[in-house]
Amino acid sequence: AQSVTQLGSHVSVSEGALVLLRCNYSSSVPPYLFWYVQYPNQGLQLLLKYTSAATLVKGINGFEAEFKKSETSFHLTKPSAHMSDAAEYFCAVSARPSYNQGGKLIFGQGTELSVKP
Amino acid sequence: ETGVTQSPTHLIKTRGQQVTLRCSSQSGHNTVSWYQQALGQGPQFIFQYYREEENGRGNFPPRFSGLQFPNYSSELNVNALELDDSALYLCASRTQGVDGYTFGSGTRLTVV
Repeated sequence: AQSVTQLGSHVSVSEGALVLLRCNYSSSVPPYLFWYVQYPNQGLQLLLKYTSAATLVKGINGFEAEFKKSETSFHLTKPSAHMSDAAEYFCAVSARPSYNQGGKLIFGQGTELSVKP
Repeated sequence: ETGVTQSPTHLIKTRGQQVTLRCSSQSGHNTVSWYQQALGQGPQFIFQYYREEENGRGNFPPRFSGLQFPNYSSELNVNALELDDSALYLCASRTQGVDGYTFGSGTRLTVV
């Protein structure tokens, strides 16, 4: 079974400050891990993904995440927040998909990021 | 790349009615999944189709059903609508061998 826990339903940072959004996962198989961002009234946009290659993953818009197996974590960071980063962020886990099976995403509850000027 | 397109964007239905939501995936995306996102929640997996056959289902009752067509389009059908079915419904597709899904913008369904 797989599950995702996002610590903190709401995070507020000042513009230019470090962004840290926390995600812990549980998985009985080697996980694939994802971070998605959702702007109001929109679908989900993939920020980055970990698929068993490098443990430090760089994504779009300056975000990165580090896979730590010992801590079962996949926290999302950005060195300097921008006003345009304000959105809902979702961490998700899946098993490795085969050509016709798997790939089902299990999402966390989401973390709303606010950026203060 | 044309993305994933969902229609309609918004829909209001009455309890007990039936609804069909549509999704048009990118060419070559032979796997499509549907998710339900209630307000303030993360998306929940409904089911997945590969080459027009269902090959995975989440914890949703049989009144949630789907179809996938050879032209990379798909449908989500919900019968006997309940108030709790009010949510954003997201379609996501991928091609064989790709690890991530491309999501559409969703259909906001309100059941009154």
